[in-house]
Order: sequence, then structure tokens, then C-alpha cells
Amino acid sequence: EAQVTQNPRYLITVTGKKLTVTCSQNMNHEYMSWYRQDPGLGLRQIYYSMNVEVTDKGDVPEGYKVSRKEKRNFPLILESPSPNQTSLYFCASSSTGGPLGSPLHFGNGTRLTVT
Amino acid sequence: GENVEQHPSTLSVQEGDSAVIKCTYSDSASNYFPWYKQELGKRPQLIIDIRSNVGEKKDQRIAVTLNKTAKHFSLHITETQPEDSAVYFCAASSPRAGAGGFKTIFGAGTRLFVKA
Repeated sequence: EAQVTQNPRYLITVTGKKLTVTCSQNMNHEYMSWYRQDPGLGLRQIYYSMNVEVTDKGDVPEGYKVSRKEKRNFPLILESPSPNQTSLYFCASSSTGGPLGSPLHFGNGTRLTVT
Repeated sequence: GENVEQHPSTLSVQEGDSAVIKCTYSDSASNYFPWYKQELGKRPQLIIDIRSNVGEKKDQRIAVTLNKTAKHFSLHITETQPEDSAVYFCAASSPRAGAGGFKTIFGAGTRLFVKA
């Protein structure tokens, strides 16, 4: 089944404790991206990757890191989480990273709470 | 910067009535306009999309219209059913300058309630 898989679904952590949220897609998609969803703000892009070893900042990158060592995986890293990073996170992929937009396939989401 | 405004933020309709959600975008280079439906506790899923060279697209009870001159697009749901209750997000995609690829900006979402 074609899908984007995120883990974990729920995560509660404390300020400053490094964490990684994994994301994997099995559709051979070139483009992958991370979003955070907050009430009243919609989905805001954190980082994106147009292909292996090519990553760039989205609209709200502060406090986050990513890597794209393989085409299928795009982990999100919080080196020192803070309470303002408490949010619902979605990984998404798309078949192409070209200039014409294309549909995004979302993972199931990770609800992160930082205390 | 670029933004997408979405209205209303909440919409309540009676089952069988129509629902309309409207979005405006600021980047005139936007070329792709998807709509996503997010049911409670679930992921956003694409329900319909339209490209900038098309003015209207329909898929059963769902239709999207695009007015490039006015920079607005709308989602129309006819004969609403309780299972249409969800949050709906509009989005606008445009080419990224320099590095290539595309950028997608989402509206803030509309929570639709369909009362049986």
C-alpha cells in the first residue's frame, strides 16, 4: 500500500531533550516536506527536500533540523525542544519537486508535547 | 510575503444544503490549487485540485472554481452529508525562485459541520 509513515504518533518530552520524528515513504517520491499544524494557523512548512541530499528551509525552520540521506526517509530532528514546539506535525511527500505544484500525500501525524 | 486567506473559519449547514468555502491568494505566480479534507484526528487528504489554466472542475458533489484575475478560488459541496463534516484546507502552489521546485501555502482551514 502506498503510504507515508511517521513515528511516533504521540510523543511527550521535556525541554532540551533531543528527539527525532521519523518519516518514510514507499512511493519513490522525489519531494518530501515537514509541516506543523497549530489551531487557526493552518499548516506551516518547516523544511522541505526536493531530492536526496537537497534540503531547504520552509517558513518556520527555527529549532528544527532535517536530513535526506536516502530518497525514502526524511527525519525531523529537534536538538533542544522547547514548549513552543508543542504541535501536531505532518510529513508529506509528492511525486515531483518541479515548479508545477503537485498533490501532497500526508503521514498520520505526530502529536508532540514539550513540557 | 505570500499568503492564502480562507473564509469562513466555521460553517454549519443542514444536511442536503450546499456549502461554499472561499480562498484568496496573493502570489500571482500560483499555478496549482488543491483542497484537502481533514477528518478529526486524521491526516489531510486531497479531495480535489485545479490548475491555473482551468476555470472550473467538478467531481461528483464537489466542485472548485478559480478566478485568476481576482486571485480567488472556491470549494462547493452540494447535497451535504454528515460525513462531509471535517476541516477543509485550501492551498496555493507557486514556483520557488532560484532553487527551483514549488512552494505550497495553506489557508487557515474551515471547520464544516453538517447537521443531520
